Amino acid sequence: GQSLEQPSEVTAVEGAIVQINCTYQTSGFYGLSWYQQHDGGAPTFLSYNALDGLEETGRFSSFLSRSDSYGYLLLQELQMKDSASYFCAVRGPLYSSASKIIFGSGTRLSIRP
Amino acid sequence: GAGVSQTPSNKVTEKGKYVELRCDPISGHTALYWYRQSLGQGPEFLIYFQGTGAADDSGLPNDRFFAVRPEGSVSTLKIQRTERGDSAVYLCASSLTLGGTQGVFYNEQFFGPGTRLTVL
Repeated sequence: GQSLEQPSEVTAVEGAIVQINCTYQTSGFYGLSWYQQHDGGAPTFLSYNALDGLEETGRFSSFLSRSDSYGYLLLQELQMKDSASYFCAVRGPLYSSASKIIFGSGTRLSIRP
Repeated sequence: GAGVSQTPSNKVTEKGKYVELRCDPISGHTALYWYRQSLGQGPEFLIYFQGTGAADDSGLPNDRFFAVRPEGSVSTLKIQRTERGDSAVYLCASSLTLGGTQGVFYNEQFFGPGTRLTVL
């Protein structure tokens, strides 16, 4: 089976940096992705890591360590609009019965002025 | 361009009734996913289509749930004999065709706004 764990809530201050961790257990692993979801909105894609290391996209960076089954999302220069839920998700191998995507339960990020 | 659309945006029904939820994916996207999301939880995978065929329906909770995509574009999620526990937001997502070397390509999923289903 597949499961992911991430903190349920994180609070940070505007302008600061915050890291949201994700650990996973999968029978097959082909990458870790991150999605953002504002209240009442649809999830939107942020980043994807298939290989170990750090991927940077503007203020957001995502890291993966396959040997540790661990990844994180790093948000810098936090803005009030970053208040949202953040989900990590894993995909199984393509063209097989395990090609579904499994989402974590989400981390609710609250930004304080 | 147009994103993923879902209709209706809200659906209220009575226990035991039949409902259909519709998803219009982004034009040209061959992969289509259905998820269910309860308050405070992540999207829960239900079924995935590659073209017209269901590539993986292992997330459908029971045989009351069924989905079709007859022409490889629009998809309909059908729920028979609805139960109060079916109340949730049903999300649809689409992506470009999966392909390439396994693990190298990732196809970003584009989500629709969801259908909020309430079963009374």
